[in-house]
Amino acid sequence: DTEVTQTPKHLVMGMTNKKSLKCEQHMGHRAMYWYKQKAKKPPELMFVYSYEKLSINESVPSRFSPECPNSSLLNLHLHALQPEDSALYLCASSQFLDPGANVLTFGAGSRLTVL
Amino acid sequence: AQTVTQSQPEMSVQEAETVTLSCTYDTSENNYYLFWYKQPPSRQMILVIRQEAYKQQNATENRFSVNFQKAAKSFSLKISDSQLGDTAMYFCAFILDDKIIFGKGTRLHILP
Repeated sequence: DTEVTQTPKHLVMGMTNKKSLKCEQHMGHRAMYWYKQKAKKPPELMFVYSYEKLSINESVPSRFSPECPNSSLLNLHLHALQPEDSALYLCASSQFLDPGANVLTFGAGSRLTVL
Repeated sequence: AQTVTQSQPEMSVQEAETVTLSCTYDTSENNYYLFWYKQPPSRQMILVIRQEAYKQQNATENRFSVNFQKAAKSFSLKISDSQLGDTAMYFCAFILDDKIIFGKGTRLHILP
């Protein structure tokens, strides 16, 4: 299995809802990443987990809460989001935390719309 | 701070032609990586080609090759015999330690 699987592919939620995005990989990768991508823009790093511990948090608002329950799973819990949080959320993984030497494998993304 | 510049927001070429996408970057570091990623309408970011800065030889992957000019801090991507499936957004990326810095992207259209 050489894929990163993201669910759901599309999500529409209100500002008072609580939802979660899920990311799964079975390549034995020990680093997992969340990126946010607005239309026609490059991805922006949000969080990085290495060996199931949060390694990098790029000053993301607390309404986004990451969770890494095990080495294969990465969740992004969403609560009280704003319309400007609407974007494509990309998950990626790499064998170790060195995205130069260890190439990132990306998922197809979850497109989030906040009403 | 490192920066990555892609000066061509959008390009169109006819199928089977050769196209070159430009990328320049700024850094004072000596050892780093440079990647080109492709993002087709399916949304998934796909690695096209990678280059280690300490290697002088330009990387090549089938129809894709780079022209890496370290002194000029230039890393252009050449696509030969372009195909309709090459239509995508192309991002140049600079990687140093655990940081990836993406350029703003070039939208490439391959015309039939």
